[in-house]
Amino acid sequence: GQQVMQIPQYQHVQEGEDFTTYCNSSTTLSNIQWYKQRPGGHPVFLIQLVKSGEVKKQKRLTFQFGEAKKNSSLHITATQTTDVGTYFCAGRVFNDYKLSFGAGTTVTVRA
Amino acid sequence: GAVVSQHPSRVICKSGTSVKIECRSLDFQATTMFWYRQFPKQSLMLMATSNEGSKATYEQGVEKDKFLINHASLTLSTLTVTSAHPEDSSFYICSATFSDRAPTYEQYFGPGTRLTVT
Repeated sequence: GQQVMQIPQYQHVQEGEDFTTYCNSSTTLSNIQWYKQRPGGHPVFLIQLVKSGEVKKQKRLTFQFGEAKKNSSLHITATQTTDVGTYFCAGRVFNDYKLSFGAGTTVTVRA
Repeated sequence: GAVVSQHPSRVICKSGTSVKIECRSLDFQATTMFWYRQFPKQSLMLMATSNEGSKATYEQGVEKDKFLINHASLTLSTLTVTSAHPEDSSFYICSATFSDRAPTYEQYFGPGTRLTVT
């Protein structure tokens, strides 16, 4: 079945630094979504990417979808303490409501 | 908008008993609801997909007789863990999507239910 891999599992970042988390699917995706789960909370939808090579920005967050629609990345610049949490990518194949979640990247920030 | 509630937030039960978890969409009618299981510091494992008025579709390896899902209305889905055992202890989280969110169909998650089986 479809598998979505995400690396790194943990990211310890100095406040103000940048980091990237990567997501790879074993199959071509129709779209990919990103969610953030704060410690003790539940996942919250951030964004969806649909088009090959698509790039979207949300303030300090930049999301990319690969040309082959099998990989994606989330890049955060100038990390802040509010960025703490686990970021999940979730891929969807065509004609299916289901999402396959990656393992998540848990981000901690050193002040 | 798009708020999903779950009840209870925490439950402790004895081995062999059954536990029911409710998932409600508070301000929208959910086209589809999903049930996930999340182990500590791990990802979300989809257990089943449920649509109102029809049988749930279970993922491979999930016992449908053990994890009973009922989706009686467009705003309520329930997960019953039958004859619970300690290995069923986990964080169960539901999500919902609705047709107005097409074509994104992003999922709105409930706060989760922490089940502990003693």
